[in-house]
Amino acid sequence: DAGVIQSPRHEVTEMGQEVTLRCKPISGHNSLFWYRQTMMRGLELLIYFNNNVPIDDSGMPEDRFSAKMPNASFSTLKIQPSEPRDSAVYFCASSFSAGGPNSYNEQFFGPGTRLTVL
Amino acid sequence: AQKITQTQPGMFVQEKEAVTLDCTYDTSDPSYGLFWYKQPSSGEMIFLIYQGSYDQQNATEGRYSLNFQKARKSANLVISASQLGDSAMYFCAMREGYTGFQKLVFGTGTRLLVSP
Repeated sequence: DAGVIQSPRHEVTEMGQEVTLRCKPISGHNSLFWYRQTMMRGLELLIYFNNNVPIDDSGMPEDRFSAKMPNASFSTLKIQPSEPRDSAVYFCASSFSAGGPNSYNEQFFGPGTRLTVL
Repeated sequence: AQKITQTQPGMFVQEKEAVTLDCTYDTSDPSYGLFWYKQPSSGEMIFLIYQGSYDQQNATEGRYSLNFQKARKSANLVISASQLGDSAMYFCAMREGYTGFQKLVFGTGTRLLVSP
């Protein structure tokens, strides 16, 4: 059973270029999360979707970042234009949220995309 | 204010011994969940254990157990019989609220090193 799939695994680009990160969640999951991990700021939630709808994008650093989820099996995180401070590991995670108090829905993480902006 | 606090940047333990990784949290919501994840040097995030705020008993998963002290707002991870493969970063995380949406807030992590 495939887990969360992310591509590319590594991306090196130059400042000013557009970067697109891709994620395929686990089939049947209805929530998708984008995180960024850096040494300075740790693991930060950027945005999450429920049933393909963005629920909370308050973690998106600025307008250069955008995320879409056109269907239940695909999401993108785009940075345009990229800057050196965007260098980080970007994780996508998915879960099935059934709701209810004390609902237990672990998030399954993808392997991450290591982004380096020169 | 920090929602999740992990005060131990690094911990050392000898193989086969037990180790406790600390986690305290801050929330006023009566409904919440606490998670522990492991991140080995390869980078992936691996779910270890979950504790719900209404759970009466401490969660256990194999060698992992969660020492949940609700009044003190702590959810420490206990790893028994440490193995070399346990060397990794460990993150505590919290989900707040009764929404069904699983937004997690993570702590800064504790790096565990298991020595032979």
